Amino acid sequence: DAGVIQSPRHEVTEMGQEVTLRCKPISGHNSLFWYRQTMMRGLELLIYFNNNVPIDDSGMPEDRFSAKMPNASFSTLKIQPSEPRDSAVYFCASSLVEGNSPLHFGNGTRLTVT
Amino acid sequence: RKEVEQDPGPFNVPEGATVAFNCTYSNSASQSFFWYRQDCRKEPKLLMSVYSSGNEDGRFTAQLNRASQYISLLIRDSKLSDSATYLCVSSTGTASKLTFGTGTRLQVTL
Repeated sequence: DAGVIQSPRHEVTEMGQEVTLRCKPISGHNSLFWYRQTMMRGLELLIYFNNNVPIDDSGMPEDRFSAKMPNASFSTLKIQPSEPRDSAVYFCASSLVEGNSPLHFGNGTRLTVT
Repeated sequence: RKEVEQDPGPFNVPEGATVAFNCTYSNSASQSFFWYRQDCRKEPKLLMSVYSSGNEDGRFTAQLNRASQYISLLIRDSKLSDSATYLCVSSTGTASKLTFGTGTRLQVTL
């Protein structure tokens, strides 16, 4: 039973480069979330999709960040241009939209921008 | 002030000890509460939901105090494998409204 699949697991890039993170949610889940985790700020919600439609992107830090969900089985989070302060672990999670359905997280992408 | 606040710890306890974590939330509209567990360099995983009447799952007991706006997690007979960071989570509705605390780190030692 495949869980949420993220790629790459690790990404090291230089400041100014474009970074694309990928996520495949659990089949049948209709909600998808992108989170960022740092030691100082913990887990922060960046954007949330419901049935492939972005519902809340108020957590996206700035215009350098963009996210897409072209179909129910794939989403991307893009940072262009990347900056050192973007270094963090980025988690994708999926769930059913109803009530108290738990979030299922992917393994995360550890991003380092030098 | 953070919406969900936790003592970051670390809590260092010997194997077999009982340990309790508290968490406070500031949004009175919060309806649902959860504890997630996160191992080092791993993703968070749901440990248990927290119900108004309190609930127990084996060695783990969760309590909710709406009047004081705090949630607690009690771990009895702690094991080495309980070593992890425990994230307190509140929600005002659906999964999209989850707010995570920064976590409390537990280290269980021999």
